[in-house]
Amino acid sequence: GQNIDQPTEMTATEGAIVQINCTYQTSGFNGLFWYQQHAGEAPTFLSYNVLDGLEEKGRFSSFLSRSKGYSYLLLKELQMKDSASYLCAAIRMDSSYKLIFGSGTRLLVRP
Amino acid sequence: DVKVTQSSRYLVKRTGEKVFLECVQDMDHENMFWYRQDPGLGLRLIYFSYDVKMKEKGDIPEGYSVSREKKERFSLILESASTNQTSMYLCASSLEQGADEQYFGPGTRLTVT
Repeated sequence: GQNIDQPTEMTATEGAIVQINCTYQTSGFNGLFWYQQHAGEAPTFLSYNVLDGLEEKGRFSSFLSRSKGYSYLLLKELQMKDSASYLCAAIRMDSSYKLIFGSGTRLLVRP
Repeated sequence: DVKVTQSSRYLVKRTGEKVFLECVQDMDHENMFWYRQDPGLGLRLIYFSYDVKMKEKGDIPEGYSVSREKKERFSLILESASTNQTSMYLCASSLEQGADEQYFGPGTRLTVT
């Protein structure tokens, strides 16, 4: 089967660091995306990992361990505007490529 | 900048009506997708298309059909709307298959009464 798990909600303080975890089980795994979605808006791309390790992009980093079926998104120097939902999505390859999304983690950044 | 537009932000329809949701992208992308997003369930793929006149079923195609007559336009059709199709519908497009980011439209919140 296929399953993607991430926490439903997290709260953090402005200026702090937060790590959002994602575990996945999917056949034909071919990489993992993170998207950000502000309330009432479209998801926007944050990162993509296909190989094990850490990808850093400014304040945001994403990590992947294929052997453990695990990824995390690390947000540093949190800002109020980082309050949003963060969606983990695995690429599944069977007859074609498909994205399988987790239900998202709602992050609230407090002053 | 890639732009994906959807015909309506909010739509209210009655049970049994035929509903058309339109999506247009302006970046000559090959691939287009329709998802629905429900609380606690995340985004679920309904249908996708990798070329004009081509369509493939996603994970939840029942009750839906699609049409792609032109590269830039991908339509989702609810043949006979039901209350369990009340949801947020998101269209997306991407240039390449597989490991290419998808660009999403703003969504259509459909309510079926």
